[in-house]
Amino acid sequence: KQEVTQIPAALSVPEGENLVLNCSFTDSAIYNLQWFRQDPGKGLTSLLLIQSSQREQTSGRLNASLDKSSGRSTLYIAASQPGDSATYLCILAGGTSYGKLTFGQGTILTVHP
Amino acid sequence: DVKVTQSSRYLVKRTGEKVFLECVQDMDHENMFWYRQDPGLGLRLIYFSYDVKMKEKGDIPEGYSVSREKKERFSLILESASTNQTSMYLCASSPPTFRGSEKLFFGSGTQLSVL
Repeated sequence: KQEVTQIPAALSVPEGENLVLNCSFTDSAIYNLQWFRQDPGKGLTSLLLIQSSQREQTSGRLNASLDKSSGRSTLYIAASQPGDSATYLCILAGGTSYGKLTFGQGTILTVHP
Repeated sequence: DVKVTQSSRYLVKRTGEKVFLECVQDMDHENMFWYRQDPGLGLRLIYFSYDVKMKEKGDIPEGYSVSREKKERFSLILESASTNQTSMYLCASSPPTFRGSEKLFFGSGTQLSVL
């Protein structure tokens, strides 16, 4: 059974810092991994998708990497801003069940001015 | 852009009422999902559907049913609402996950309160 762990559970940083969020998984048989952000009381917004065959994806100040052999993905946020404050979730697609998705518990990020 | 639309942002219902949560997607996706999200428990899958009239139970289907009569619409039904069903409900859709490039898209959520 796929298990996904996100570390740290919460992170508070001053504005301008570069930071890394981690997502670890136990089963490397995945189709893809997606990073989402969720603002309080809202739905989930897709940030980046990394396919199983890819190593990284970039979008603006965000860079996500995938290392299947070690069961890890990282989300790197450069020059953090208060607007980056949100919960960040990694979601893995894969496994033997149709439509099987496994969620991390999320990292709560606070960027203070 | 793909849109997944949930019909209500907030709902307040009474115990014992029958509740319908509607979700519509506009990208002809085969897969649709219903999750509930509770503090400390994360997102938990209630039901998913991989085609019209097809449905599969998720991790917590008790007390819920679903309907998928048309490809674009996936409805979650609480037959007799109870207070422990107070939660944020999230709908999602995606194409079939067989190539790896298919993205998952979420609606904005329905916060349901059962009194």
